[in-house]
Amino acid sequence: QKEVEQDPGPLSVPEGAIVSLNCTYSNSAFQYFMWYRQYSRKGPELLMYTYSSGNKEDGRFTAQVDKSSKYISLFIRDSQPSDSATYLCAMSEPSGGSYIPTFGRGTSLIVHP
Amino acid sequence: EPEVTQTPSHQVTQMGQEVILRCVPISNHLYFYWYRQILGQKVEFLVSFYNNEISEKSEIFDDQFSVERPDGSNFTLKIRSTKLEDSAMYFCASNRGGEAEAFFGQGTRLTVV
Repeated sequence: QKEVEQDPGPLSVPEGAIVSLNCTYSNSAFQYFMWYRQYSRKGPELLMYTYSSGNKEDGRFTAQVDKSSKYISLFIRDSQPSDSATYLCAMSEPSGGSYIPTFGRGTSLIVHP
Repeated sequence: EPEVTQTPSHQVTQMGQEVILRCVPISNHLYFYWYRQILGQKVEFLVSFYNNEISEKSEIFDDQFSVERPDGSNFTLKIRSTKLEDSAMYFCASNRGGEAEAFFGQGTRLTVV
């Protein structure tokens, strides 16, 4: 079983819609949960990270973690065409003093005007 | 804002040739990583590096690969004898350690012909 599962999409929504992006995982040792945004042929850009279960909000973005279900979500409110990108979830467990992110395959989001 | 920088942005090489990909991590970071992303696939962990030695590596990181921190600022990935299947985006990342979020460079696109 793959460690981190993420639907590749594409997910196409109209401008202003609420977007929900999700990942599931199998490794109970994951402690940190991150969302990255990646534009075509560019590096992943960290959007948010959370530790353990709960919600975290940053502007139009809300990250949600449910460790009991091994399920994480990213919600984008009032989506904009500039939000069009691939969204990668990543999770990490302690390893030698640091945390090594393990990525999902990313969901392609298209926000059309 | 400090950032991870990678050079070159695009490298074309012939099969069997050696390549060196270069990275300058964020200056006060202590942990360094290399990831790769084959076109259309997920971002995959290759290796982590701390205190001038490899702290963890994946199955992908075989004897063809090596990493080095030749001076106080650069971090390099060497592929000794490139294969066609080494064609991918290679991302360098760094963090201070003891934290989850890793900061990624813009990547080097390696094309093996």
